[in-house]
Amino acid sequence: QQQVKQSPQSLIVQKGGISIINCAYENTAFDYFPWYQQFPGKGPALLIAIRPDVSEKKEGRFTISFNKSAKQFSLHIMDSQPGDSATYFCAAKNSGYALNFGKGTSLLVTP
Amino acid sequence: EPEVTQTPSHQVTQMGQEVILRCVPISNHLYFYWYRQILGQKVEFLVSFYNNEISEKSEIFDDQFSVERPDGSNFTLKIRSTKLEDSAMYFCASKLAGGTDTQYFGPGTRLTVL
Repeated sequence: QQQVKQSPQSLIVQKGGISIINCAYENTAFDYFPWYQQFPGKGPALLIAIRPDVSEKKEGRFTISFNKSAKQFSLHIMDSQPGDSATYFCAAKNSGYALNFGKGTSLLVTP
Repeated sequence: EPEVTQTPSHQVTQMGQEVILRCVPISNHLYFYWYRQILGQKVEFLVSFYNNEISEKSEIFDDQFSVERPDGSNFTLKIRSTKLEDSAMYFCASKLAGGTDTQYFGPGTRLTVL
């Protein structure tokens, strides 16, 4: 059972454009939704996270939009830069310990 | 900035051999985790560890796996008899305390089982 579905699998965006990655979840007990960024050969690094009591959270060029009724959340990267090229994972967690990850999106920002 | 460290970065072993993957969590963190990522797939939870005992484990974490915190700084994952399908990147993560959900990941150990 795939608890967190992520799309698209890969994304190519021009420098300066907006990158949008979407995730959907099934378990209504999830109450923590982080996005992780992973560069080749490195571990996932927390980028930004949101709880379901807010619909949007912004940190610099990164914004999470959260739709509780639709059980969806998305990551928007504004003014995308070549240095943003990485794999992005959404995840979700309930009151337990485990992060449930999506399958990842490989983002390529072209100059 | 404090980091989670893992050794070795790459481990090659023969099928059936035991391996121990080592992690040094961030020093004041209390919760410890192991995840794995098979090449090209998503990161999967294996186990969480708190107060010197397993607090949660996934169905992947069967009797072939064990975890230990042998001293005040190390956290280890042992695979007793490795299988080909154990080949993956293994990530250790740690978390400060119960009031936060942020897990900090190490750089991973790539395990190759031949």
